[in-house]
Amino acid sequence: NAGVTQTPKFQVLKTGQSMTLQCAQDMNHNSMYWYRQDPGMGLRLIYYSASEGTTDKGEVPNGYNVSRLNKREFSLRLESAAPSQTSVYFCASSEVLEDEQFFGPGTRLTVL
Amino acid sequence: GEDVEQSLFLSVREGDSSVINCTYTDSSSTYLYWYKQEPGAGLQLLTYIFSNMDMKQDQRLTVLLNKKDKHLSLRIADTQTGDSAIYFCAEKLDSNYQLIWGAGTKLIIKP
Repeated sequence: NAGVTQTPKFQVLKTGQSMTLQCAQDMNHNSMYWYRQDPGMGLRLIYYSASEGTTDKGEVPNGYNVSRLNKREFSLRLESAAPSQTSVYFCASSEVLEDEQFFGPGTRLTVL
Repeated sequence: GEDVEQSLFLSVREGDSSVINCTYTDSSSTYLYWYKQEPGAGLQLLTYIFSNMDMKQDQRLTVLLNKKDKHLSLRIADTQTGDSAIYFCAEKLDSNYQLIWGAGTKLIIKP
């Protein structure tokens, strides 16, 4: 079991460029999450998906879109990257919303 | 709104006990969690406590919850170099499924 995998590990973008961060889990979990982690701050929830076919906004959804492609995969898209989106992005999954969350290794994104 | 606060750094000598503290504002927490993040890695659940418990012990880890003061602590006995990491406190509210996270405490081990 690989657990939660994320690609890419690192990415540098120019302002205005777009990109998609990929996340996949092999634990047959129903719920998946995208967080961002900024220095001196706790994790902030961007979007989550309670189950396949549903997505909901978290605390900081502006500037992002998500797709729950199937039960395994949950992608995060930045349509027009801004320097304020420079952060480390973590994907997580859990059996259901109430359960322990398992995290991927993160994607470090820099927007110039 | 809801808030979880932690000190950003804690420095202890190898072999001593580490106590990492966390305060939260929302009294409707159902679960409180401690996660560990090693350098360059994702977060890993260390332990959790249900809000109607006062204490939970798991090998070298002891979690204490003072619900009256909204204070959570994580004690690591006999701290080792492998315990160097950032420790995050998080609470799950009764009202929704989102976790409210602290900023993390970086544990520094001195030889």
